[in-house]
Amino acid sequence: QQQVKQSPQSLIVQKGGISIINCAYENTAFDYFPWYQQFPGKGPALLIAIRPDVSEKKEGRFTISFNKSAKQFSLHIMDSQPGDSATYFCAASPSISDKLIFGTGTRLQVFP
Amino acid sequence: KAGVTQTPRYLIKTRGQQVTLSCSPISGHRSVSWYQQTPGQGLQFLFEYFSETQRNKGNFPGRFSGRQFSNSRSEMNVSTLELGDSALYLCASSLAMTGSEQFFGPGTRLTVL
Repeated sequence: QQQVKQSPQSLIVQKGGISIINCAYENTAFDYFPWYQQFPGKGPALLIAIRPDVSEKKEGRFTISFNKSAKQFSLHIMDSQPGDSATYFCAASPSISDKLIFGTGTRLQVFP
Repeated sequence: KAGVTQTPRYLIKTRGQQVTLSCSPISGHRSVSWYQQTPGQGLQFLFEYFSETQRNKGNFPGRFSGRQFSNSRSEMNVSTLELGDSALYLCASSLAMTGSEQFFGPGTRLTVL
């Protein structure tokens, strides 16, 4: 019940395309869902986060879609750029805690 | 504002030794969490400290321990190192308000030989 399942494991997208990464969770106590971006040799950096009271949140080229009834959320990267090439992690936590449960990660490669 | 800093950045130890890693949170942040990152297991929560008290603990053996000081700086200790402890250890800090954003440091790369 503590798991967050993430797919796909890897993703190859052409420059200008849309990258879509999906996550699913079981624990209904989760109510904070962040996405992190990690470059090699660096710690994860918060990209965007959502709470279940909204179904979508957009920040620049990054959008989170959230489906509370299906217990799924996804990250959409519009107009993908080579600089977006990184590993992306979804995560979830109950708001009473800072304990983040991470998905397994998606390695995104954007080719020119 | 300076980010989360972790020292040392790299460590090489042998089996059976112990190691202490240090984390300085962002100024004003009162919560510090530790995570272990490995290729096989991904990012796993170790523990969280707030006001010098452990508030949450992950599913790791008792060889893994931590503490937080009054200035919010934190240390984690791993005793009797095993080969499987080789990992990137990440520290994250937050304001400790409910569900607040966590900011990660660059990590300490521990290699156990």
